[in-house]
Amino acid sequence: DGGITQSPKYLFRKEGQNVTLSCEQNLNHDAMYWYRQDPGQGLRLIYYSQIVNDFQKGDIAEGYSVSREKKESFPLTVTSAQKNPTAFYLCASSSERAEQYFGPGTRLTVT
Amino acid sequence: KQEVTQIPAALSVPEGENLVLNCSFTDSAIYNLQWFRQDPGKGLTSLLLIQSSQREQTSGRLNASLDKSSGRSTLYIAASQPGDSATYLCAVRDWSGNTPLVFGKGTRLSVIA
Repeated sequence: DGGITQSPKYLFRKEGQNVTLSCEQNLNHDAMYWYRQDPGQGLRLIYYSQIVNDFQKGDIAEGYSVSREKKESFPLTVTSAQKNPTAFYLCASSSERAEQYFGPGTRLTVT
Repeated sequence: KQEVTQIPAALSVPEGENLVLNCSFTDSAIYNLQWFRQDPGKGLTSLLLIQSSQREQTSGRLNASLDKSSGRSTLYIAASQPGDSATYLCAVRDWSGNTPLVFGKGTRLSVIA
């Protein structure tokens, strides 16, 4: 089955620890995206990558980092510098200017 | 900067009713517009994609229209069912390069049996 996988579904971390969220796609899409969703708020773009070894900051990149070493993978690291990391994180991918697809999401809780 | 607005923020209707969800955007120079559905705690599911050259797209009981000149799109749901209860999001992709989708905040729909 083609699609986007995110792991784990739920993630718990202590404050001050870095944590990496996984995103893998087998759709052969060039572009990949990370969004954050908080209760009562819309989707906010964190980072996106249009091609391997290249990525751009979105609207709320501070406290996050990404890498794009392979076309299929776009991991997101939530660093200790992110002041409010508890949220629902969504990964997505698309071919150039075409339909965008989303993964099932990872719910991160930091205490 | 492109902005997408969805009204109303929430809607409750009895089962069987036909309904319309609205989406407006500020810059009409878009490449395409996409409607998504999101169930609580889940990712987004793509419902319909309308290219800028198209006026509408249909899938089953769903019909989405696009009027670029007025900066509006509507999602029509026929004969609503309780299983249609979800949040519906509209998003546009601009012509200015391979830019990411710009999302509205969504309309939360409840269909009451």
